[in-house]
Amino acid sequence: NAGVTQTPKFQVLKTGQSMTLQCAQDMNHEYMSWYRQDPGMGLRLIHYSVGAGITDQGEVPNGYNVSRSTTEDFPLRLLSAAPSQTSVYFCASSPEPNTGELFFGEGSRLTVL
Amino acid sequence: AQSVAQPEDQVNVAEGNPLTVKCTYSVSGNPYLFWYVQYPNRGLQFLLKYITGDNLVKGSYGFEAEFNKSQTSFHLKKPSALVSDSALYFCAVRDDNYGQNYVFGPGTRLSVLP
Repeated sequence: NAGVTQTPKFQVLKTGQSMTLQCAQDMNHEYMSWYRQDPGMGLRLIHYSVGAGITDQGEVPNGYNVSRSTTEDFPLRLLSAAPSQTSVYFCASSPEPNTGELFFGEGSRLTVL
Repeated sequence: AQSVAQPEDQVNVAEGNPLTVKCTYSVSGNPYLFWYVQYPNRGLQFLLKYITGDNLVKGSYGFEAEFNKSQTSFHLKKPSALVSDSALYFCAVRDDNYGQNYVFGPGTRLSVLP
């Protein structure tokens, strides 16, 4: 059971560089989301999707783009990395958008120098 | 707007003693409440949820939580703590007036001392 798979697990970027964090799930979940985790702040929602072709912004969307071309994949793009984007990023999916629990990936630790 | 508070950054408890991790919430509609646990360098894992029905909810690893609507609380409890319960615990809420977005609390670090 793969569940939610995130790559890469670790990444170091220089300010201004771009990159894509990959997320794939094999549970046929319609709902997928990206969070960032910073110490003392819990998890904050960046973007989410309720199905292929549908995305929306969360609490902290600036500097990030997403797309959802398939049910399985939900990549997160950093357009021009900034030190403030140093964080741990989690992808999560859910079988039912309103009452279902989230299934999380193992996280991607990003450092922007 | 919806919000979640976890008033304690850290909870220490001796192994074998009961534990409580506190959570209070604010929503405009009906709340859907969740608890997750995070072990070091891992993603969050679902423990339990309250959607409707019985106020006492039982979940994984012997944890339970009680929904209290009048106090807007959803405290996590376990009758007898284990050292292996030491982890970071997050409370989360969905407001049925706000669709699919979760709001997470800041987390409470639980340390169970042998």
